[in-house]
Amino acid sequence: DVKVTQSSRYLVKRTGEKVFLECVQDMDHENMFWYRQDPGLGLRLIYFSYDVKMKEKGDIPEGYSVSREKKERFSLILESASTNQTSMYLCASYGYNSPLHFGNGTRLTVT
Amino acid sequence: DQQVKQNSPSLSVQEGRISILNCDYTNSMFDYFLWYKKYPAEGPTFLISISSIKDKNEDGRFTVFLNKSAKHLSLHIVPSQPGDSAVYFCAARSSGNTPLVFGKGTRLSVIA
Repeated sequence: DVKVTQSSRYLVKRTGEKVFLECVQDMDHENMFWYRQDPGLGLRLIYFSYDVKMKEKGDIPEGYSVSREKKERFSLILESASTNQTSMYLCASYGYNSPLHFGNGTRLTVT
Repeated sequence: DQQVKQNSPSLSVQEGRISILNCDYTNSMFDYFLWYKKYPAEGPTFLISISSIKDKNEDGRFTVFLNKSAKHLSLHIVPSQPGDSAVYFCAARSSGNTPLVFGKGTRLSVIA
């Protein structure tokens, strides 16, 4: 069974802080993604990666960066957290011939 | 520009009846479609998928129908159960390593 693990379920950070959201998958998937979910807006793609050290911007990359140093790990970085980045953040991965599998999400509150 | 649209934000259905969730798409390059179910405070879980070479796929109580000419797909849940109450997301992508594009979701409430 595919497991996508996000390091924190809930986080509270202050405006201006640098925030790291970590995600690890155990199925040797090449493709990893970061989405955010907001009420009425659905799931919006922030960044994705098809391989180690590769990254691509999604639909809303502003204010975010990512790091993929190892195949199983994909980190989302908020360079300087702002209140409009308060959201549910979802990491996901898929491999060949498999659907996208999501982690349980990190609820981030920026005050 | 929304490529995947779920025009009903919410739907209420009586337990035991059929739930029909609809989804429209605009990108004719999409060839793989999925439905995800999401409970509060959890990540979405994969429910069922269909490729563009089919027009129907069934898995237990869940059936997805694809109408390519209308660029429309629907998810049927029969019979609906209270545990089906959740937000359902429709998603689509084109071939190759392209990300999924999601709709905004439909909140289904199954009333006992």
